[in-house]
Amino acid sequence: QQQVKQSPQSLIVQKGGISIINCAYENTAFDYFPWYQQFPGKGPALLIAIRPDVSEKKEGRFTISFNKSAKQFSLHIMDSQPGDSATYFCAASKGSGYSTLTFGKGTMLLVSP
Amino acid sequence: NAGVTQTPKFQVLKTGQSMTLQCAQDMNHNSMYWYRQDPGMGLRLIYYSASEGTTDKGEVPNGYNVSRLNKREFSLRLESAAPSQTSVYFCASSATGSGNTIYFGEGSWLTVV
Repeated sequence: QQQVKQSPQSLIVQKGGISIINCAYENTAFDYFPWYQQFPGKGPALLIAIRPDVSEKKEGRFTISFNKSAKQFSLHIMDSQPGDSATYFCAASKGSGYSTLTFGKGTMLLVSP
Repeated sequence: NAGVTQTPKFQVLKTGQSMTLQCAQDMNHNSMYWYRQDPGMGLRLIYYSASEGTTDKGEVPNGYNVSRLNKREFSLRLESAAPSQTSVYFCASSATGSGNTIYFGEGSWLTVV
């Protein structure tokens, strides 16, 4: 049972465009939602994260939008740059006690020059 | 500035051979993890250690064993390698508790022929 569903699997965006990656979760106990960025040959690294007490979090060109009622959250990359080309993973975990992250299957983003 | 260090980076094994992937972190983290990454499957948790002295199965533990040697080190052992274990393996660590950033190593590319 996949608890975090991510789409699309791959995405091509022109330089300067907006990249949008969507995730949906099933477990209402999840209350921490990070996005990780992975460049080829490297390990994933935390990009931005949100908790469900806010509907949006912005850090530079990266924004997470969160819809608790729909159990969905998305990553928006504004003014996408070729250097943003990477694989992006959404994830979720429960807040209480010890909880491991459940990852989506990833989105390969290519930003064309 | 090492973070999470894992060795070896590349390994080719014959079916039935055994090997151990080594991992060490220098961030004084209590929790450590082993993930595998396969195309289209995202990051799947193999085993984790919430704290020194404890280990627990993740989503895909079959065919693997782990040892939390001390607070810094967490090893992953393949007792009898199978072609299905061809993958990229990532070690990671975090402070204890949900919502803490997970820091990944750079990965170990394992091919079983």
